[in-house]
Amino acid sequence: QVRLQESGPGLVKPSETLSLTCIVSGGSISNYYGSWIRQSPGKGLEWIGYIYYTGSTIYNPSLQSRAIISVDTSKKQFFLRLTSLTAADTAVYYCARLRRHISSWTFDPWGQGTLVTVSS
Amino acid sequence: IQMTQSPSSLSASVGDRVTITCQASQDISTYLNWYQQKPGKAPKLLISDASNLETGVPSRFSGSGSGTDFTFTISSLQPEDIATYYCQQFDTLFTFGPGTKVDFK
Repeated sequence: QVRLQESGPGLVKPSETLSLTCIVSGGSISNYYGSWIRQSPGKGLEWIGYIYYTGSTIYNPSLQSRAIISVDTSKKQFFLRLTSLTAADTAVYYCARLRRHISSWTFDPWGQGTLVTVSS
Repeated sequence: IQMTQSPSSLSASVGDRVTITCQASQDISTYLNWYQQKPGKAPKLLISDASNLETGVPSRFSGSGSGTDFTFTISSLQPEDIATYYCQQFDTLFTFGPGTKVDFK
């Protein structure tokens, strides 16, 4: 079964850039949509964006100017870069497979999440 | 598209029927999923397309609705069902509801 695991720094300074990695195991990344979602106490669950294994991306308009998602199919990994961080970006960041079936889209499964704190 | 849920929290007893509603700010047909999140864990998909129970999910969970109004039901609350439940639309990009926390009375 497909499993996902996030990795990255737990603490980042304001104005800096966050870089996170999602490692996919237990399945092929072909025909794969990978997505990033974050969860903060103030804003709940917020979808950040997704990437197809070909490299095409779609972002949440509210984060589009600061988020970059990329993929390395040879390593079965996808990545999130989020620039110009502020305290409002403090959250648990999840990667998830975005599963597409006919007209249905679901986030399943999810990684366990990684807490990112933005603080000086 | 904005999603709202009610109630924001509820307390119930084992065996109770629990109902959560989710409302979309515009017609989303049946493009709605439900997730369960236990403390310290990632969300888990329970129901897709408003009413399709995912493989392995107990039949006490169910979903219904279309358009703007949706309902999620636990027919007989079990101790392991204590969690926060989220709806999520996929009609236009992806948006989650604010969640409904279910605990024991």
